Order: sequence, then structure tokens, then C-alpha cells
Amino acid sequence: DQQVKQNSPSLSVQEGRISILNCDYTNSMFDYFLWYKKYPAEGPTFLISISSIKDKNEDGRFTVFLNKSAKHLSLHIVPSQPGDSAVYFCAVGFQKLVFGTGTRLLVSP
Amino acid sequence: DVKVTQSSRYLVKRTGEKVFLECVQDMDHENMFWYRQDPGLGLRLIYFSYDVKMKEKGDIPEGYSVSREKKERFSLILESASTNQTSMYLCASSFQGWEAGLHEQYFGPGTRLTVT
Repeated sequence: DQQVKQNSPSLSVQEGRISILNCDYTNSMFDYFLWYKKYPAEGPTFLISISSIKDKNEDGRFTVFLNKSAKHLSLHIVPSQPGDSAVYFCAVGFQKLVFGTGTRLLVSP
Repeated sequence: DVKVTQSSRYLVKRTGEKVFLECVQDMDHENMFWYRQDPGLGLRLIYFSYDVKMKEKGDIPEGYSVSREKKERFSLILESASTNQTSMYLCASSFQGWEAGLHEQYFGPGTRLTVT
């Protein structure tokens, strides 16, 4: 049973527009939420995180939103750039991380 | 700069062979993890270790074992490789504890293992 779901396997966006990646989780015990970015032939790299006591965290072009009542997490990238093209994983944790299935983002010029 | 290195980027083995995947981190992290990544399934945790000689099963430990004799090194062992273990294997490390800022895991570049 998948505890963390990213229902969109892929997303295409034009350069300069907003990219919104979504993640749903089932366990209300999760208290830390992260996004990782993965380029081909590289390991995932940490992007941004949020704790359960917050509903928004911003870092430059990246903003993570948390809706605890809906058990929903989203990542907004504004403006999107071609270099953002990668696979994005959400990860949620209580004592260890559980990763989603990933969304492949393609940002076209 | 945190560095997690894995012994091989690509590996081809035959069914039934014993396979060793090595991971080394240089940040003095207590926790180390082995994941496999498969299309449509994301990253799934195989085993993790929170201290030398300690290990915990992850979500898919069957067919795998691990060894952690030194803090910086975590090995994944496939006792008898099978074709369904063809995958990308990722090692990660992190500090211990769940306080803010200590949850981030640092990943190695991955080993693409093909079992024929």
C-alpha cells in the first residue's frame, strides 16, 4: 500500500510559467516533508523541506505548501527554467523517509 | 561538501552470483540507507543502519543483507542475484536525530545493476 503518492508521472511546462507538483500521503503521523530533485545518472539532491508546524516554506523560486487536513503537499516553482527539468520526489517522514513515485518535469524554452 | 560515493556506477552480474555494493560517506553521519529505484515505484528502502554493526530492515529487505563494520561504510549484499533485482541502487546518509535540519539525506550517484 503506497503511503506517499505522486499521481502525475509527468508534467510539461513552458519556461517562465509556474510548475506545480503534488504529493498526497496517508499517515497523519508524518511530521517532516521534503522535496528532492533527481537528474539522470545522479543521486537525488535535497531541494526544500517543511515541518508539520508550518503550512508554507519558501526558498528562492521554490515554495512548498502543506495542507495537513488534506494530507497534501505541493511544490511550486516560479518561474520555471529549462534547468529545472528533472524527476522530483516528495519524501515524508516520522522516523525514516518514505518517498513518492516521482514526477518527471519538463520545462521547454 | 558532503560526499557519498558508491563503488560502481554500472554492474552486470549473472543470476546466482553474490553481489557486493559498497557505499562510503565522508561526513561522519550516523545513519546510512540503501534504496532501490524502479520506474513507477519511486525509491524504496531496503535496509538502513543508525550505528556501526546496527541494521534495520526497510520496506523490501527480502533477498538482501547489509554490513556496517565502520561508521563511514555501508555495504549491500545480494546473496544470490536474481533478474528481479535488476535496478538502480542508491545509498544515502544523514545525521542521527529528527530535529529540524537533521532529516536531510545525502545520496550517492547510484549503481545501475543488471542481472542476466
